[in-house]
Amino acid sequence: DAGVIQSPRHEVTEMGQEVTLRCKPISGHDYLFWYRQTMMRGLELLIYFNNNVPIDDSGMPEDRFSAKMPNASFSTLKIQPSEPRDSAVYFCASSSGGFGYTFGSGTRLTVV
Amino acid sequence: QKEVEQNSGPLSVPEGAIASLNCTYSDRGSQSFFWYRQYSGKSPELIMSIYSNGDKEDGRFTAQLNKASQYVSLLIRDSQPSDSATYLCAVRRATNFGNEKLTFGTGTRLTIIP
Repeated sequence: DAGVIQSPRHEVTEMGQEVTLRCKPISGHDYLFWYRQTMMRGLELLIYFNNNVPIDDSGMPEDRFSAKMPNASFSTLKIQPSEPRDSAVYFCASSSGGFGYTFGSGTRLTVV
Repeated sequence: QKEVEQNSGPLSVPEGAIASLNCTYSDRGSQSFFWYRQYSGKSPELIMSIYSNGDKEDGRFTAQLNKASQYVSLLIRDSQPSDSATYLCAVRRATNFGNEKLTFGTGTRLTIIP
């Protein structure tokens, strides 16, 4: 298996622009998670899905953030409009439930 | 009080010695515990999981769990320079079916000195 695949690996954008991060989970995994990692706050859960349905989005910072999972093999995290404080590494992870997660390589987002 | 607490380090250990990493958690209902290793610039990688009190060994790694004390630890025997990384403790709460959320500590940075 190719693992969890995220794109892009790096994204530099200007404040106010829309940013879309993409994730393909491991085939057969029915849970998908979006995390954000910063030096100050560590790994923070933003939202997670079970069988393509959002279960817990309490970690989404504000209305500028949205996430979708239209099918079992694809998810997006969108930030509109982006702000410099959104700069972080965004990880997608998947699992089959009951066990630990497998993380993707992450997207390093820089908002200038 | 943070849900999952770790000493941020850095923790420096001579090569060949035992590295001991500690983690405490606040929710007594937590049932599943994990250790992840994260190299600089890379994603977290699962190295150990533990679900019941006691020790669990896997090669040079031993995870220890004490639910009464709300304490999880990771021991790395015969430490190697390649073990230098940040180690993240993660905890899953006991909740209703379908809640798979892991809460992570901020990690302990470990440096193995040759």
